[in-house]
This record gives sequence, structure tokens and C-alpha cells, in this order.
Amino acid sequence: EVQLLESGGGLVQPGGSLRLSCAASGFTFSSHGMSWVRQAPGKGLEWVSAISGSGGSTYYADSVKGRFTISRDNSKNTLYLQMNSLRAEDTAVFYCAKGAYSSGRTNEYFQHWGQGTLVTVSS
Amino acid sequence: DIQMTQSPSSLSASVGDRITITCRASQGITNYLAWYQQKPGKVPKLLIYAASTLQSGVPSRFSGSGSGTDFTLTISSLQAEDVATYYCQKYNSAPLTFGGGTKVEIK
Repeated sequence: EVQLLESGGGLVQPGGSLRLSCAASGFTFSSHGMSWVRQAPGKGLEWVSAISGSGGSTYYADSVKGRFTISRDNSKNTLYLQMNSLRAEDTAVFYCAKGAYSSGRTNEYFQHWGQGTLVTVSS
Repeated sequence: DIQMTQSPSSLSASVGDRITITCRASQGITNYLAWYQQKPGKVPKLLIYAASTLQSGVPSRFSGSGSGTDFTLTISSLQAEDVATYYCQKYNSAPLTFGGGTKVEIK
């Protein structure tokens, strides 16, 4: 059974940093592209970032480019999102999501999602 | 970047009604289009991928169609458990943009 478990969320002041983790199990982690998707309170889904299975290709939404960094440790089956220079508008539930196929590519839909971790940016 | 526009943003219909949600891409994406359902307080759930392929386990009253820039999600007979927000998503290439969502309620 595929499981994705996010952690690392919490309350942080504007300008601060936070690192999210997503522990994966139940599939060959290194074979799948992975993404982070966020949802601000009462708002829609926003794709944030994606990384290929090897980690060699990364992509970002314009809203986070230059502030967030996606990475993965395939030896630990874990996906990360380093978030710097956080703003109030980054307040959201952050989900990790798994690409559907074992292609390692990022241009795939999401068959599995984690339960999400809440990030609150406030002074 | 390609923008994804959903309409309507919300709708209210009766149980048993046929409803259609539209998703329009600002440029062609062939059939790289997925639909998700998100019930209140829950994680998004994949309904349809490749514009018209029903994900395993999803009731057959859900269907998708379209190609290029115009896509539709249809619920043939709305049920009470279908109350949710529905999102389209393009996945031909990054950014993997979502539409703004369509909130479906029961009249």
C-alpha cells in the first residue's frame, strides 16, 4: 500500500524558514516523479514544485521560485521542500503527491496524495 | 505558462441531475488532463486521467471528454455523496497547473 506521510509544518514568522519532509513507502520511490501541492485556507489547489525520480530535474511555480527548493533522498525514500523567505501568503496545507507511473518523469497526474502538513506564516 | 480556467466556479443541482463542468486550457495540451474530487476536509482524489480514462474504483456516473484546449467532466446522475470541489489539472509539462475549482452542492 502506497503511503505518503508529510511532516515539518508549523508556525513560522514572516521571513523565516521551514523544511518539509514526505516519507514514502509501498512503492519504488526512486522510480517516481514527486510533487508538492499546497492549498491555502478556503482556497484551491496550487502546484508548487516537482522533482524527477533521479532528482536531476526540478521545477517550480513562479510564486515560489528562488525561495523554495525541492529535493529527495532516494536512499531514505524521502522527499523534501526547503522553504525560505516565507510570506503570509505561503500559509497553506502542503501535500506531497506521487506521479502515477514508474517513469521517473514529472509530467504525470497524481494517483496518491499524503494527508498534508499545515504551514502557518504569521508574526 | 498555460492557464487552466474552470467554469462554473460553483453550481447547485438536484439529486439525479446531469451536471457538466468545463475546463479550458489557454494553449493545447492534447489529452494531458486529469480531474480530481476533493470533499470537505479531505485529500484530493483522482477521478479521471488522460482526459477521459476513469480511475479504477470511480463510479461510472463520472465521465470526462475533450482534447486540445476544451475539456468537460460530467456527472450523469448527481448523488448526495458527490458534494465536493472538483479540479482539473494539466500535466503535459511543468508547471502542472490546476484549475480554480468548481464547488458542487445539492439543491
